[in-house]
Amino acid sequence: GAVVSQHPSWVICKSGTSVKIECRSLDFQATTMFWYRQFPKQSLMLMATSNEGSKATYEQGVEKDKFLINHASLTLSTLTVTSAHPEDSSFYICSADGREGYQETQYFGPGTRLLVL
Amino acid sequence: AQKVTQAQTEISVVEKEDVTLDCVYETRDTTYYLFWYKQPPSGELVFLIRRNSFDEQNEISGRYSWNFQKSTSSFNFTITASQVVDSAVYFCALRAQMDSSYKLIFGSGTRLLVRP
Repeated sequence: GAVVSQHPSWVICKSGTSVKIECRSLDFQATTMFWYRQFPKQSLMLMATSNEGSKATYEQGVEKDKFLINHASLTLSTLTVTSAHPEDSSFYICSADGREGYQETQYFGPGTRLLVL
Repeated sequence: AQKVTQAQTEISVVEKEDVTLDCVYETRDTTYYLFWYKQPPSGELVFLIRRNSFDEQNEISGRYSWNFQKSTSSFNFTITASQVVDSAVYFCALRAQMDSSYKLIFGSGTRLLVRP
């Protein structure tokens, strides 16, 4: 099956710094990637949909100036948490749209745990 | 509305018991996909199954089985002879059209604890 990687898997930073998370589709091209956030004991919440070569579409309530998304190529999308604060501490998961046979499916990365001190 | 409901927040069973995780969905789409994912403590989502809306055939994979019923908008997941390694959070999800694109809508998840 298709593989999606995320880097880093863990990041600890001081309040006020910016953190960049990379999401790569390793063996397929993904025109669409998705970024999710998951707080402890909660479900995955879609933050934004990232389309290669165009601006990301953010879900209601997600600050686009705080969570910068860049999808510069068909295999890479990045999420930058700008001026991170403790309340941004969460588990961030990306996924990429791929095709398995004739069906579209989403492949998930392993996630990135962000802790802001 | 496009929505997935997992009414069971937590389930605790003793090893070797059978357990069924419920999933009820709402969608306005005529064609859609339903998924089940397992999320162990490591956090990485493990894909379990995808079901098309036009395929109501039930599926069995080892100790796992799924019952898809369009008449009741349900897609329930049964683990037979549960094992401690089955302990995880299980998510049901619906792939449906929202805002001109297809998105995965997750249920709130069911935390399964299998005790030895």
